Amino acid sequence: AQSVTQPDIHITVSEGASLELRCNYSYGATPYLFWYVQSPGQGLQLLLKYFSGDTLVQGIKGFEAEFKRSQSSFNLRKPSVHWSDAAEYFCAVGGDGNKLVFGAGTILRVKS
Amino acid sequence: DGGITQSPKYLFRKEGQNVTLSCEQNLNHDAMYWYRQDPGQGLRLIYYSQIVNDFQKGDIAEGYSVSREKKESFPLTVTSAQKNPTAFYLCASSIDLRMGTGELFFGEGSRLTVL
Repeated sequence: AQSVTQPDIHITVSEGASLELRCNYSYGATPYLFWYVQSPGQGLQLLLKYFSGDTLVQGIKGFEAEFKRSQSSFNLRKPSVHWSDAAEYFCAVGGDGNKLVFGAGTILRVKS
Repeated sequence: DGGITQSPKYLFRKEGQNVTLSCEQNLNHDAMYWYRQDPGQGLRLIYYSQIVNDFQKGDIAEGYSVSREKKESFPLTVTSAQKNPTAFYLCASSIDLRMGTGELFFGEGSRLTVL
């Protein structure tokens, strides 16, 4: 069965600084990987996804993620963070059946 | 607009009562899901259904029940057997996630509080 680890529970960055959120997965075959974002009390919105092909994936709101098979990682990055990026971010993995397994989430705080 | 509608948004329940959370989608998706969200634990899968009249248990199905009588609807019942039901519940739908275009679409969630 697949699993996901997001090592950082909280991250604080200054507005305009770069951001990297870590995600490590466990799955025996090639996984399907996703990043979602959630504002407080809301549902989740898809930022980007990886199924195959180019390991650098571009998403919405200026986010990108890189799939590294050798490190079992799918880290999310953004070159310059805006105050509106403050939210909770979830990494998810699929591949074992028609379902996704989510990590515990990383709460991003942006300071001005 | 197409999307997923969950109701009610907030629900209060006394101990020992069953409650049903509604989830309706007009995206024509075959698959539907219920996740439970607790602080610091991410989303945990309760039940999912890949086709009408069929559903499978997820990782934390105990104390919950579902039905899938129509493609558009996937209600979740939180029974009195669920020991700690206070949580945020999220419904989602998708086409086949194993396809290159698959992704989960989420509703806005329902917050259940047991008094």
